[in-house]
Amino acid sequence: QLQLQESGPGLVKPSETLSLTCTVSGGSISSSSYYWGWIRQPPGKGLEWIGSIYYSGSTYYNPSLKSRVTISVDTSKNQFSLKLSSVTAADTAVYYCARAFIWYFDLWGRGTLVTVSS
Amino acid sequence: DIQMTQSPSTLSASVGDRVTITCRASQTISSWLAWYQQKPGKAPKLLIYKASSLESGVPSRFSGSGSGTEFTLTISSLQPDDFATYYCQQYNTYSGTFGQGTKVEIK
Repeated sequence: QLQLQESGPGLVKPSETLSLTCTVSGGSISSSSYYWGWIRQPPGKGLEWIGSIYYSGSTYYNPSLKSRVTISVDTSKNQFSLKLSSVTAADTAVYYCARAFIWYFDLWGRGTLVTVSS
Repeated sequence: DIQMTQSPSTLSASVGDRVTITCRASQTISSWLAWYQQKPGKAPKLLIYKASSLESGVPSRFSGSGSGTEFTLTISSLQPDDFATYYCQQYNTYSGTFGQGTKVEIK
């Protein structure tokens, strides 16, 4: 059964770069049927799509975050990663990685809380 | 960018009630709409995709309808496990905007 697990620092300083990795287990990230995405949720607020990637490396970003976001994939490790630069307190959120069939998210990781604070 | 607006933001209902949540898109998205359920401290769970297709394992009391710009999620008979927050998501044109959410509370 395919599972996704987010990993990375839980605390990031303002102006620095947030880096997270999603490890896919129980299946291949190179499946031609799926995209892989990042979604975040600030405490007490709604969901925000950050961006998505195909195993070939094609990326798609939320226009409101595009200037600060990089998503990459490492098929040899069955992982994909998120980098968000120049973070502020507004980037404090639970970050989820998820599998996307077409573009809806059918399988999610448990999420990881990232706090931006000095 | 496509904006998604859900209504109401909060809904108070009793077990056994029929519940309807509306999601409107700022431009037409055909049937490229999904619905999710989220409980506190948990990841969202896919309920409906392509506006009206029920995800495997989701109870049949959940149903979705609509196309174009207006969509609804209906719970035919609310169960105790259904008290949660529900989100719509459009997935037209390589993007994935979510609605702001509808919290279904116990009346």
